[in-house]
Amino acid sequence: KAGVTQTPRYLIKTRGQQVTLSCSPISGHRSVSWYQQTPGQGLQFLFEYFSETQRNKGNFPGRFSGRQFSNSRSEMNVSTLELGDSALYLCASSLGGLTDTQYFGPGTRLTVL
Amino acid sequence: AQTVTQSQPEMSVQEAETVTLSCTYDTSENNYYLFWYKQPPSRQMILVIRQEAYKQQNATENRFSVNFQKAAKSFSLKISDSQLGDTAMYFCAFMNLLSNFGNEKLTFGTGTRLTIIP
Repeated sequence: KAGVTQTPRYLIKTRGQQVTLSCSPISGHRSVSWYQQTPGQGLQFLFEYFSETQRNKGNFPGRFSGRQFSNSRSEMNVSTLELGDSALYLCASSLGGLTDTQYFGPGTRLTVL
Repeated sequence: AQTVTQSQPEMSVQEAETVTLSCTYDTSENNYYLFWYKQPPSRQMILVIRQEAYKQQNATENRFSVNFQKAAKSFSLKISDSQLGDTAMYFCAFMNLLSNFGNEKLTFGTGTRLTIIP
C-alpha cells in the first residue's frame, strides 16, 4: 500500500505571495491532518479534515486554510506569506481521526524570502 | 490549554543498553490519548506507541514500553536493547477527547534527540 505523499517537496516563495501544498493520503484513510514544524515552535497542529469537512482546528491565523476532496486528497493554502511561515509542513492520514495512528508524509519544505 | 514537556533535549546511549525518555503533560481533561512518535533523520515520522488514559495497564510494543502515571501526568518511554536504528527524534504527543469536535488537536512536546552509539 502506498504511503502518504506530499507535493511539492520543496518550495521557495517571497513575502506576500500565496502557496498551495498538496497531500495524498493512504488509500482508505478519510482523515487528513496538517502540521507545521519549525526549530523554534516545534510541531504544531494546523487542522484536520474528515470526509471533506474541517473537523478540528489549531491556533493559526486565517491565512492558513485547507480543504479536502471527495477522494480524501487534501490541500493547504497559506496566503500573504510571512518570513515566519518558513517551515516543514507535514500532513498525516489516518482511518478515523486524531486518536488513530497517524501516518505522516515526508513533508514540504517551504522557504519564504 | 494542554502542554507537553520533554525535559531532555538530547540523549545518547550505547547500543544494547536501555534508555528512558521522559514526558510530562498538563491537562484538566480526564479522557485523552498519549503517543510517542519517532522521526528518524531524513525519514518520515512514525508512531512508536500509544496509550489510552482510561487504561491502567502500560502499553508495550516489542522493545518499547511506557510508564504511564496518570496522577503525576507523566508518560515516559523505555527502549530496551537499543539498536542503531533507534537513532531519531522522539516526540511525545497528547490528544484530548472532547464531547464535541472542533477543538481536538494533537499537542506535541519539543522532542528528544536520541543517538545510539555503536
